[in-house]
Amino acid sequence: GENVEQHPSTLSVQEGDSAVIKCTYSDSASNYFPWYKQELGKGPQLIIDIRSNVGEKKDQRIAVTLNKTAKHFSLHITETQPEDSAVYFCAASSYGQNFVFGPGTRLSVLP
Amino acid sequence: ETGVTQTPRHLVMGMTNKKSLKCEQHLGHNAMYWYKQSAKKPLELMFVYSLEERVENNSVPSRFSPECPNSSHLFLHLHTLQPEDSALYLCASSQRLAASTDTQYFGPGTRLTVL
Repeated sequence: GENVEQHPSTLSVQEGDSAVIKCTYSDSASNYFPWYKQELGKGPQLIIDIRSNVGEKKDQRIAVTLNKTAKHFSLHITETQPEDSAVYFCAASSYGQNFVFGPGTRLSVLP
Repeated sequence: ETGVTQTPRHLVMGMTNKKSLKCEQHLGHNAMYWYKQSAKKPLELMFVYSLEERVENNSVPSRFSPECPNSSHLFLHLHTLQPEDSALYLCASSQRLAASTDTQYFGPGTRLTVL
């Protein structure tokens, strides 16, 4: 079955700097890769996703890149702000299979 | 707001109690999920329902009993739980089951503490 690894497990950046979180997956059939943000006391919220027919997707300060050959995808947050502090989860799925989530990255943006 | 609500938000129960968690989705989705989120562990998928039919049970102990009376509501009945069952229980829904590109939308979770 699918296995998703996520690195780093914790990340601290200065406000205004960029943050990058990387996930690798094992199943070459996976074709959908969402990213979720979970703030304290809340459930995970979808922030961006990418499908396997696309290499990069951007939404304001957030972007996701996908390398199907290497089987990894990354979340990029530019101009980080304190409200970006949260736990971020990646996931991978393929048709007929449920989501497999990474273990999460705790991002702290220091003022 | 994601369109998925959960009640209660917090629950403390003894090991001999019986309680139920409720999830409701207002998105018109056909698939609903229960996840367990423990500290420092990946999200654990517990149960999956599609069109009110349970399609997956990931080796969950029988002290957890799900119920899906219709496509908008999902319950998790709890009885004789153990302290290690303390966790955040998340409900999610998606338009279709395992359609891979259908996003799952999560509720805020119920923080369960078993004494």
